[in-house]
This record gives sequence, C-alpha cells and structure tokens, in this order.
Amino acid sequence: DSGVTQTPKHLITATGQRVTLRCSPRSGDLSVYWYQQSLDQGLQFLIQYYNGEERAKGNILERFSAQQFPDLHSELNLSSLELGDSALYFCASSPRTGGPGELFFGEGSRLTVL
Amino acid sequence: AQSVTQLDSHVSVSEGTPVLLRCNYSSSYSPSLFWYVQHPNKGLQLLLKYASAATLVKGINGFEAEFKKSETSFHLTKPSAHMSDAAEYFCVVSEWSGGYQKVTFGTGTKLQVIP
Repeated sequence: DSGVTQTPKHLITATGQRVTLRCSPRSGDLSVYWYQQSLDQGLQFLIQYYNGEERAKGNILERFSAQQFPDLHSELNLSSLELGDSALYFCASSPRTGGPGELFFGEGSRLTVL
Repeated sequence: AQSVTQLDSHVSVSEGTPVLLRCNYSSSYSPSLFWYVQHPNKGLQLLLKYASAATLVKGINGFEAEFKKSETSFHLTKPSAHMSDAAEYFCVVSEWSGGYQKVTFGTGTKLQVIP
C-alpha cells in the first residue's frame, strides 16, 4: 500500500459527460502528479501541483482541469468526454523534502467512455 | 533539459536467465534516478532509486541497477528471471529546478518471461 488513495477505482460514462477523479496523497506529501495511461499513448504526464499551486503542465487537454485543495487532496476534472479519453488515470505524490524523491502511486482510476 | 531513453520497448528472456533493461538519461544537474515496475492492471511500484550515493543500487525482488555517469546510463539487471517478473518497467529521472521537482518517465520496457 503506497498510501495514495484514488477514487473511484472504476468509472463508466458516456461521451459528452463530465467526471471528477479524486486523489488523496500520502500524509505530509505536498506534491501531487496526475498521469494518463492508455494502450496507444502509454504513460503521459498531465499536471503537477505543489502545496496548492500548479507547477508543471504536460499533455493535458483544455477539456481537462485539476486543482489541489488546502488539505492537499487533488481532483482531476474531465469534461466533454470522448471515446479516446478512456484510460487509466494515476495520481502520485512525493515527499516534501527539498531533494529529489520517489513518487508514490495510487492504484489508478479506470475510466471507460462509451 | 532532462530526458530518459529506454532502449528496448520489449525484452524477452527465459525463466532463470539474466535480465538486462537498458536506460540512458540526460540531465542538466545531478539527477535522481528510479526504476518502477507495473504489473498488469496495477499501479506503479518503486523498484529502486539512485540519489548520489553508492552507484550500485539494490532494489526489491533481486533487481539492481548501476549508475554510470560517464555513460549516462542506469541499466536494470537481475541475475535470474522469475515468471513473476513479467511486467512493464519504467526508468525515471528526477531533479529539482526552479523550486519544484521535475520528473520524466521513459516510455517503458515490457518484459516477457518464457517458462
């Protein structure tokens, strides 16, 4: 158990809908990362937050947005969903220390868009 | 700018034979390097990490990796493959820049273990 919790584990929805994925980082970790993993695109970095502030953006679509709340949990909002958004979405957190540290991953949220 | 290249997208070995998964990196600073493993339909688990200490790093499940600065490599090895090692492996480079941790993943290597 990595200590990172993601909900829901599975989600099935229709095209055009909106969903919210939730991530609770490990206790004390200030950084949260979101990744998308699909069969054709592999593991893609979406966005990173540090203590509530956006720090880096990757291949995140404009239809997607995220935020990190004061209690450090994070949400990834996916709107106007398309079939190609079906994927496994991972959240990871990393320790607050100043030096490089490992990422701790949640089990992921599997999104299926029909 | 940092980058990671995993030289093989697929590697196939027989059970009981050595495993070698290759990784080359590029980094402007002194990076930390990691290997993660992902079993089917599971999250990513840390195998081992290098952070400017001993260049030979031992990880879980008998894996180890050697940091070679002159070759900018961080190859993952295991003396004897087990069926349970079949998974996808990711090489990762990380460094602090501009006040935040920048992390770059390689594209992954799928390891097949043949009985």
